Amino acid sequence: GESVGLHLPTLSVQEGDNSIINCAYSNSASDYFIWYKQESGKGPQFIIDIRSNMDKRQGQRVTVLLNKTVKHLSLQIAATQPGDSAVYFCAENITESSASKIIFGSGTRLSIRP
Amino acid sequence: EAGVAQSPRYKIIEKRQSVAFWCNPISGHATLYWYQQILGQGPKLLIQFQNNGVVDDSQLPKDRFSAERLKGVDSTLKIQPAKLEDSAVYLCASSFATARSSYNEQFFGPGTRLTVL
Repeated sequence: GESVGLHLPTLSVQEGDNSIINCAYSNSASDYFIWYKQESGKGPQFIIDIRSNMDKRQGQRVTVLLNKTVKHLSLQIAATQPGDSAVYFCAENITESSASKIIFGSGTRLSIRP
Repeated sequence: EAGVAQSPRYKIIEKRQSVAFWCNPISGHATLYWYQQILGQGPKLLIQFQNNGVVDDSQLPKDRFSAERLKGVDSTLKIQPAKLEDSAVYLCASSFATARSSYNEQFFGPGTRLTVL
């Protein structure tokens, strides 16, 4: 079936260090993958996405890696800052005959130690 | 540009009561989505509109949930009657792309937190 899951529910990182958030997926039909950041009391906010035919994509302080062989996705945040504290969701986009839809995983909470 | 607006932000009701949520998407966005986010979980799609038509409502519990987008802009989501397990945050999102586009970056509103007692 369609599912996106995360390896760890919580992650604590020292301020200034790099953060790595991992995600496993099971649907080979996904055409692209997205990472969202959700702060308390807010809706999910788009961070970065990657098409299924790519292995790596970089943004500002963030890098997403896709390993289709093992169906694994990761989000790397460089020089983690207090403002990075949030829940991070990986999600997959699936395009079917009638529509495209996004399926979310269960999230990883990232906390920053001063 | 203004983001997706939702109201109310919080709602507390007793089970078996009715409740309605309102969403105003970003201007010009054709596609509108309603999601249910239970505490500790990722958002789950309930219904997807393109303009005023339903594209996907396969995950909507139609015995108690209903949604409409009559003029292709604002949308309302209703629960009647509510159950305890409906306690969740209800998120609205909109996308400029049509529902059948392969790329449809979604912009989310702040959500309505519903508590059913």
